[in-house]
Amino acid sequence: AQSVTQLGSHVSVSEGALVLLRCNYSSSVPPYLFWYVQYPNQGLQLLLKYTTGATLVKGINGFEAEFKKSETSFHLTKPSAHMSDAAEYFCAVITSGSNYQLIWGAGTKLIIKP
Amino acid sequence: NAGVTQTPKFQVLKTGQSMTLQCAQDMNHNSMYWYRQDPGMGLRLIYYSASEGTTDKGEVPNGYNVSRLNKREFSLRLESAAPSQTSVYFCASSEGGATQHFGDGTRLSIL
Repeated sequence: AQSVTQLGSHVSVSEGALVLLRCNYSSSVPPYLFWYVQYPNQGLQLLLKYTTGATLVKGINGFEAEFKKSETSFHLTKPSAHMSDAAEYFCAVITSGSNYQLIWGAGTKLIIKP
Repeated sequence: NAGVTQTPKFQVLKTGQSMTLQCAQDMNHNSMYWYRQDPGMGLRLIYYSASEGTTDKGEVPNGYNVSRLNKREFSLRLESAAPSQTSVYFCASSEGGATQHFGDGTRLSIL
């Protein structure tokens, strides 16, 4: 069965510091991988996704993630945190079935310290 | 461009009451989904509809029913609400394996 693990329910960084949010997955077939962001009282928005091809994927708002098959990881990074990055971030993997159901991590709340 | 629209945004129910959550998308997507979001548990799939006229159970379907009214609309019904169904409910739509687009959610409290 496929699963997604996000390390750390809360991550706190100072404004201007590196953001690193960790995501590991298990999948018996090549996965499609996603990062979504949820701002308070809003729905989820796609940050970036990996399907095939280049393993370093760039997304919106300066975020990027690297697919590492050997480590079964898809960690999200941003070189310099901004106050507006405070939100909850979800990693997800698509199932191998035909209906493209997403399997979700539990989420990581990113806190930005001034 | 409205995307995915959910109504209502907030609702308070008493135990045993029924209600229907509405969802509509204007992107001509075939697939639609209902999730519930609870603290520390991420999103859990309740039901999904791969195409008009079909619906399937997800991870947590008990206590819910759905209707895919047409290609645009996918409703979620609670027949007899229970406090355990207090949650934030999200509807999403997608085309095949592409990105899922989410509504802003319905915050439901059951007393």
